[in-house]
Amino acid sequence: RKEVEQDPGPFNVPEGATVAFNCTYSNSASQSFFWYRQDCRKEPKLLMSVYSSGNEDGRFTAQLNRASQYISLLIRDSKLSDSATYLCTCAYSGAGSYQLTFGKGTKLSVIP
Amino acid sequence: DAGVIQSPRHEVTEMGQEVTLRCKPISGHDYLFWYRQTMMRGLELLIYFNNNVPIDDSGMPEDRFSAKMPNASFSTLKIQPSEPRDSAVYFCASSDYWGGAFFGQGTRLTVV
Repeated sequence: RKEVEQDPGPFNVPEGATVAFNCTYSNSASQSFFWYRQDCRKEPKLLMSVYSSGNEDGRFTAQLNRASQYISLLIRDSKLSDSATYLCTCAYSGAGSYQLTFGKGTKLSVIP
Repeated sequence: DAGVIQSPRHEVTEMGQEVTLRCKPISGHDYLFWYRQTMMRGLELLIYFNNNVPIDDSGMPEDRFSAKMPNASFSTLKIQPSEPRDSAVYFCASSDYWGGAFFGQGTRLTVV
């Protein structure tokens, strides 16, 4: 079983649409969660952290459900510039270790 | 801060040659990660360091791969001898405890 699983997409949505991505993780001891954005032929860039209470950053909302072990990202009023691959990330730390595990990403294409 | 700096950005080499990838992490970050990204396997963790000490190298594919971190501001990933299946994008990332990782621009390696 993969540690972090995401629907690879692609999600093709029109401008202005709302789109949601989900991600599931297998390590119940994971403590921190993040969403990254990766543009074609670029490095992943940290988009936002994910907190149990849910958090919002402009048009982006992230949610964490520890009981079901999934993380979500909601993008409202999508823009052409949102087209990218979105990577879900789980972090586990303990006994001197700190591991970040990435999903393979969900590709989003926002269409004019 | 300039962010994580990797060199070279591109490397084309012949099978059997030695390849050395370099990384300068963000100052003050205790953790340094080496990842490899391919279309098939996504982002794979190769090895990570905490305070210059290798913590987990279980992701290093073979003895042909080695990594060092002689000081807090420099790390290398070496492949000797290189093989065509090593062709990928290699990312270095650094992090402080609990935070998400920040990536360098990557080294695109092609082994012919």
